[in-house]
Amino acid sequence: SQQGEEDPQALSIQEGENATMNCSYKTSINNLQWYRQNSGRGLVHLILIRSNEREKHSGRLRVTLDTSKKSSSLLITASRAADTASYFCATSDYKLSFGAGTTVTVRA
Amino acid sequence: KAGVTQTPRYLIKTRGQQVTLSCSPISGHRSVSWYQQTPGQGLQFLFEYFSETQRNKGNFPGRFSGRQFSNSRSEMNVSTLELGDSALYLCASSPEEGTGGLAKNIQYFGAGTRLSVL
Repeated sequence: SQQGEEDPQALSIQEGENATMNCSYKTSINNLQWYRQNSGRGLVHLILIRSNEREKHSGRLRVTLDTSKKSSSLLITASRAADTASYFCATSDYKLSFGAGTTVTVRA
Repeated sequence: KAGVTQTPRYLIKTRGQQVTLSCSPISGHRSVSWYQQTPGQGLQFLFEYFSETQRNKGNFPGRFSGRQFSNSRSEMNVSTLELGDSALYLCASSPEEGTGGLAKNIQYFGAGTRLSVL
């Protein structure tokens, strides 16, 4: 079963705008990861945040983690058409447990 | 390094048949995991192999099986195919234990095999 839920399910924005998506999870975690999937292909790892971290940046990506609320958010700044994809959060133990994903469409 | 390679990319089978999917991990990665992705159930863990042994297994029926070879390449097999087995099957590899702490939690995915069961 999936670990949790992502919100929103779908997001459409104009190129240059920011995109924010949220993820909730159910169990205690050691770390949380975000992955991107382009049009039914494989997933690409974006960023990992440890349970003792509150915020992490990687290029145009900013991830926050609130373990008290069991939630995380991913912000993509200055979006580009190439950011059009589905984004998944995942908690990891021996396997990755994924959320349902947020589909982001960036309009040129 | 070459990425994770999955073959074939597309497969069409009929109900009752069996199918074998192949995965070649990133060189040096000894852990290989398999996931099933469907619109209804999302991404679900099938099993993980490490050093030719199945180390973990998800909640799938026995029709789903796999194996890993000494070169870390892995295959998964689905017997007696059902319509509901239509899905994108993803293979992922990870660095082995002890190679950099959290690095082993990051998985590197192949492009997937899309299986259609008619």
